[in-house]
Amino acid sequence: DVKVTQSSRYLVKRTGEKVFLECVQDMDHENMFWYRQDPGLGLRLIYFSYDVKMKEKGDIPEGYSVSREKKERFSLILESASTNQTSMYLCASSSTGIWETQYFGPGTRLLVL
Amino acid sequence: AQKVTQAQTEISVVEKEDVTLDCVYETRDTTYYLFWYKQPPSGELVFLIRRNSFDEQNEISGRYSWNFQKSTSSFNFTITASQVVDSAVYFCALSTLNQGGKLIFGQGTELSVKP
Repeated sequence: DVKVTQSSRYLVKRTGEKVFLECVQDMDHENMFWYRQDPGLGLRLIYFSYDVKMKEKGDIPEGYSVSREKKERFSLILESASTNQTSMYLCASSSTGIWETQYFGPGTRLLVL
Repeated sequence: AQKVTQAQTEISVVEKEDVTLDCVYETRDTTYYLFWYKQPPSGELVFLIRRNSFDEQNEISGRYSWNFQKSTSSFNFTITASQVVDSAVYFCALSTLNQGGKLIFGQGTELSVKP
């Protein structure tokens, strides 16, 4: 079974803090993705990576950065958290090939005060 | 433009009823994949099915079935004899060559199955 884990289920941070969300997958997948999910807006792609040290902007990258130093780990960074980044963050991974199924982690509910 | 529309925002049924969740997609690509995911209250998206644009065969898996019709650009999902455990938000998603395989999600349909 594919296993995607995220470092925290719930997180509370203050405005201006630097926030790290970690995602780890154990299936040797090349592709990893970060989404945010908001009511009425569905899931939106923030960043993705097709290989180690490689990153591509998704649909809403502003205010975020990512890091992929190892194949199994993909980190999402909020450089200076703002209240409009309060959201549910979902990480996913898939194997090589653009058609492969993405498997999701349990999500992190982030509240920025 | 690529787009997925799930017109039903919320559906409420009583246990053992059959229920169909609609999904309509838009793409000019001839090669694409369609997906359904389930998101229970715990939050994790669970993969249910993937179907490519060249395979219009309907799929049945237990109480779940999927009807893919290219003529109407629809990929509908039916749950037969619904159960309380089916209560969740269900997402339909599209992946096309022009989008580099990125998933384009519909807004989701929240299904509530009451005992």
